[in-house]
Amino acid sequence: DGGITQSPKYLFRKEGQNVTLSCEQNLNHDAMYWYRQDPGQGLRLIYYSQIVNDFQKGDIAEGYSVSREKKESFPLTVTSAQKNPTAFYLCASKPSEGAPGTDTQYFGPGTRLTVL
Amino acid sequence: AQSVTQPDIHITVSEGASLELRCNYSYGATPYLFWYVQSPGQGLQLLLKYFSGDTLVQGIKGFEAEFKRSQSSFNLRKPSVHWSDAAEYFCAVRAGGSYIPTFGRGTSLIVHP
Repeated sequence: DGGITQSPKYLFRKEGQNVTLSCEQNLNHDAMYWYRQDPGQGLRLIYYSQIVNDFQKGDIAEGYSVSREKKESFPLTVTSAQKNPTAFYLCASKPSEGAPGTDTQYFGPGTRLTVL
Repeated sequence: AQSVTQPDIHITVSEGASLELRCNYSYGATPYLFWYVQSPGQGLQLLLKYFSGDTLVQGIKGFEAEFKRSQSSFNLRKPSVHWSDAAEYFCAVRAGGSYIPTFGRGTSLIVHP
C-alpha cells in the first residue's frame, strides 16, 4: 500500500534535548511538508521541500531543522531552541506540479510530542 | 496573501440532522479550495476540493460543498449527520501558482445521539 508513515506515534522528550521525527512516503511525491498543530490554531507550516536536497522555511521554522537527502524521507528535528515544542506534528506530501493529483496534499497519521 | 476563516469553533448537531460548516476565504482570483476531516489523534483526510467548473462539489462520506464567489465562501454540507462524522473539519485555500495551502483553524463537530 502506498502512503505516508510517521514514527513514533507518541514521543516524550526532556527539556534541552533534541529529537527527530520521522516521515517516510512511498507515493513517489516530490513535495513534502511539516505542519505543527495546536488546539484551536489549525495547521501551521514549519518547513517544506519541493525537491530532494532543497527545502524552505515556513511560517514557524524557528527551533526546527529538516533535511531532504532522499525523495522518500523528510525528517524533522525539534531542537532545544524551540520554546514550546509540545504539539501534534503532521507530515504531508504532494505530487510535483503538472503531475496527476498535484493539487492535493496527503497526510501522515501524525506524531504527538510531549516535553516533560 | 490568501487567508481562510472558519467562524465556528464548535458545532453541535443531533444525529440525523443536517449540517453546514462555514468557510470564508480571502484571495483576489479563484483559489483552489479544500475541505479535510481529522479524527482524534489522526492525520487529515481529504473530503472534497474545488478548482473550477460546477460550483457544487460532491465529496466522500456524503459531503458536498458549494463555492460562492460573491460571498467568498465554500461551505460544507451534509443532509443527515451520522455519529461517526464527529471530528475536526478544516477548510484550506491555495492560490493558483502557490505550492502552499493556508488552513483555517478548524471546526469541531459534536454529534448528539
